[in-house]
Amino acid sequence: EVQLVESGGGLVQPGGSLRLSCSASGFIFSSYGMIWVRQAPGKGLEYVSAVRNNGASTYYADSVKGRFTISRDNSKNTVSLQLNSLRGEDTAVYYCVKWGTYYGMDVWGQGTTVTVSS
Amino acid sequence: QTVVTQEPAFSVSPGGTVTLTCGLNSGSVSTNYYPSWYQQTPGQTPRTLIYNTNTRSSGVPDRFSGSILGDKAALIITGAQADDESVYYCVLYMGSDIWVFGGGTKLTVL
Repeated sequence: EVQLVESGGGLVQPGGSLRLSCSASGFIFSSYGMIWVRQAPGKGLEYVSAVRNNGASTYYADSVKGRFTISRDNSKNTVSLQLNSLRGEDTAVYYCVKWGTYYGMDVWGQGTTVTVSS
Repeated sequence: QTVVTQEPAFSVSPGGTVTLTCGLNSGSVSTNYYPSWYQQTPGQTPRTLIYNTNTRSSGVPDRFSGSILGDKAALIITGAQADDESVYYCVLYMGSDIWVFGGGTKLTVL
């Protein structure tokens, strides 16, 4: 069974940092790109970042560019998202998503909650 | 700035058919945007319904279908059921590994 399990969420003060991790199983992790999507409370889904299967190429939404960094470790089947200079508007559930065929998002993790507040 | 547009809300009667659409503020949606559709019920993780315009994800019933209608992508639900009551999100691939989500359509079945 394909499974994605996120961890690392929590409460952090504005300006602080957090590192989210996503552990993958049930598929050949090194063959697929991975994506982070977030959802603020009561709001819609928002693309955050993506990394290709070899980790050589990374992409970011304008709202997080320069503050967030995505990375992956294919030896450990994990993808991470480093969140720096956090703001209140970064408060959201962060989902780890498997990049499927034809640019679809085919498997979603359960999400991890990040709350930015003083 | 690219904006993906969806109807904020829609209602359908049980057993009825509904077409939800996904447009662009700056042009037409085509298959080149690889439109995909996701269903989310309150408090739940999104579920993938359709990718690559019209390919159903594994386990998705065939009463969910996708297409291009005119200048928009469309999600068609036939024989709507009570548990179809959800928010439906459209996503378009913009190239350079960037995706843009629509704001979602809240579907009510009543």
